[in-house]
Amino acid sequence: SQQGEEDPQALSIQEGENATMNCSYKTSINNLQWYRQNSGRGLVHLILIRSNEREKHSGRLRVTLDTSKKSSSLLITASRAADTASYFCAVGETSGSRLTFGEGTQLTVNP
Amino acid sequence: EAGVAQSPRYKIIEKRQSVAFWCNPISGHATLYWYQQILGQGPKLLIQFQNNGVVDDSQLPKDRFSAERLKGVDSTLKIQPAKLEDSAVYLCASSPNGGPIQETQYFGPGTRLLVL
Repeated sequence: SQQGEEDPQALSIQEGENATMNCSYKTSINNLQWYRQNSGRGLVHLILIRSNEREKHSGRLRVTLDTSKKSSSLLITASRAADTASYFCAVGETSGSRLTFGEGTQLTVNP
Repeated sequence: EAGVAQSPRYKIIEKRQSVAFWCNPISGHATLYWYQQILGQGPKLLIQFQNNGVVDDSQLPKDRFSAERLKGVDSTLKIQPAKLEDSAVYLCASSPNGGPIQETQYFGPGTRLLVL
């Protein structure tokens, strides 16, 4: 069953602007993770937020988690052309050990 | 430390042929994952090993796909016979421990398979 569903599917912004991506899920979770994938490459882990956490920061990244709404958001501040990539949320359900990935948001940052 | 290694990087075969992919995880990582990523989609877990035991293979099409992790280190994923719809990137990942709480996963570069 589809877990993490990202919104929007694609996002195009100018360098220096902020980018916000959202992820919704359906069941109880242990944690939620965000990954980045550059074209033709493997995924790189960005941040993990546990179910009892509401917000985490890492450099220019800020992740929020609202378990009552079953949603998370990833904010990239002061975006750069190098941030151009696909961003995936991955849901760690309580019902198993699997991570279930969403379909991703394709972010394009124009110089 | 060295990352997750995969080979080959690219493979083109005809339908009904067989193909095998190899993965060497980060040294000391107990858990190894194989994912299938179809173009434009997110990765889908095919199989998860903890050491040399299978934790989850519920989404592995067992009539044509098989995987093994001998000695709990490197792993091979095989498709026999391949179908057109198997065209995808096959990603291997590893994580340090395992267990019921999902960890950070470290991904290899993937093998891009094209079935003609």
